[in-house]
Amino acid sequence: DVVMTQSPLSLPVTLGQPASISCRSSQSLVHSDGNTYLSWFQQRPGQSPRRLIYKVSNRDSGVPDRFSGSGSGTDFTLKISRVEAEDVGVYYCMQDTHRPPWTFGQGTKVEIK
Amino acid sequence: QVQLVESGGGVVQPGRSLRLSCAASGFTFSNYGMHWVRQAPGKGLEWVAVIWYDGSDKYYADSVKGRFTISRDNSKNTLYLQMNSLRAEDTALYYCTGFDMWGQGTVVTVSS
Repeated sequence: DVVMTQSPLSLPVTLGQPASISCRSSQSLVHSDGNTYLSWFQQRPGQSPRRLIYKVSNRDSGVPDRFSGSGSGTDFTLKISRVEAEDVGVYYCMQDTHRPPWTFGQGTKVEIK
Repeated sequence: QVQLVESGGGVVQPGRSLRLSCAASGFTFSNYGMHWVRQAPGKGLEWVAVIWYDGSDKYYADSVKGRFTISRDNSKNTLYLQMNSLRAEDTALYYCTGFDMWGQGTVVTVSS
């Protein structure tokens, strides 16, 4: 199974400042079809998860453009250009290249300093 | 408006069974592969099972294989999860999801 490792696990940030979360996979996430199936999810306190990014860098509908995804192979990053109060929550990466199983990272908790 | 509404959770004794349902609306359910994902209290997300859009293929996490069965009824726009031989470690909030859409979850508590 592909292991997804996120860092940091806790990220205190200042409002208006950038934030960055790393996600590393135990093997390359490049699929035989040429795509890389790496997604990012946000889970606000008390809410269901919501997908922000799919296939590394594609934002879902309604996701603010301050969120961006990048990376390749085994190394991926979610960036928030300017953190807002509503961005507080836990962020997960997930791979669906080598499935089953679909595997998630441990989660990164973003909080305001 | 896309909606997934889970139901069927509750408190059950170890070894007993429970059946979860997920009613879908606002999209063409029969076009989507669907998953169950769970979240134990205070923990992260764990993928549980998937069923192909037409029910032709199903896969399970090792932790539930042989105990849980995923199914769907496309005529009723409903996804199911039959959970047998429940264990304390199955205690979690269970989400129905296509990954681009999520339900609100239903809580399963396994306790004597």
